[in-house]
Amino acid sequence: AQSVTQPDARVTVSEGASLQLRCKYSYFGTPYLFWYVQYPRQGLQLLLKYYPGDPVVQGVNGFEAEFSKSNSSFHLRKASVHWSDWAVYFCAVLSNYNVLYFGSGTKLTVEP
Amino acid sequence: EAAVTQSPRNKVAVTGGKVTLSCNQTNNHNNMYWYRQDTGHGLRLIHYSYGAGSTEKGDIPDGYKASRPSQENFSLILELATPSQTSVYFCASGDLGGRMAEQFFGPGTRLTVL
Repeated sequence: AQSVTQPDARVTVSEGASLQLRCKYSYFGTPYLFWYVQYPRQGLQLLLKYYPGDPVVQGVNGFEAEFSKSNSSFHLRKASVHWSDWAVYFCAVLSNYNVLYFGSGTKLTVEP
Repeated sequence: EAAVTQSPRNKVAVTGGKVTLSCNQTNNHNNMYWYRQDTGHGLRLIHYSYGAGSTEKGDIPDGYKASRPSQENFSLILELATPSQTSVYFCASGDLGGRMAEQFFGPGTRLTVL
């Protein structure tokens, strides 16, 4: 069965520092993978998505993610974090019957 | 811009009462989804639908029913609400086949069952 694990429940970074949020997936075959962001008291918004092809995908607001089949990973990165990136980030994998399965989320705190 | 709306945005219900959460989408997507979000669990799928008249059980369907009377509307029904159903509920619409896969979320409904 498909699943996603986000091993870090909370991550704190300084503004301007680089960021990596980890995501490990379990899926038989080559997955479609997604990163979503949730700002306080809002719904989820799509940051980026991966489908088979270039392993590095670009998203909105300077985010990118790299797919690794050998590591079963899809880590999210940003070169320089801004205070407005303070949010909860979710990784998700698409099932065979067109349903997204989400990880438990990583709460990002940005320090001044 | 794709749009998914939910009503009510906040709801307080009593144990044993009936609760209906409504969702409307203007994206003309075939698929619609209901999730609940609880601390430490992320989003868990309750019910989903592939089109008008269809409903499918997700991972945690017990205690919930769903109704899809039209392409645009998808409701989640709690016939006998319990305190364990206190949560934030999100509706989403999407077409997730292939490279054009996308899913859009509503703003959420905060439900408290006393």
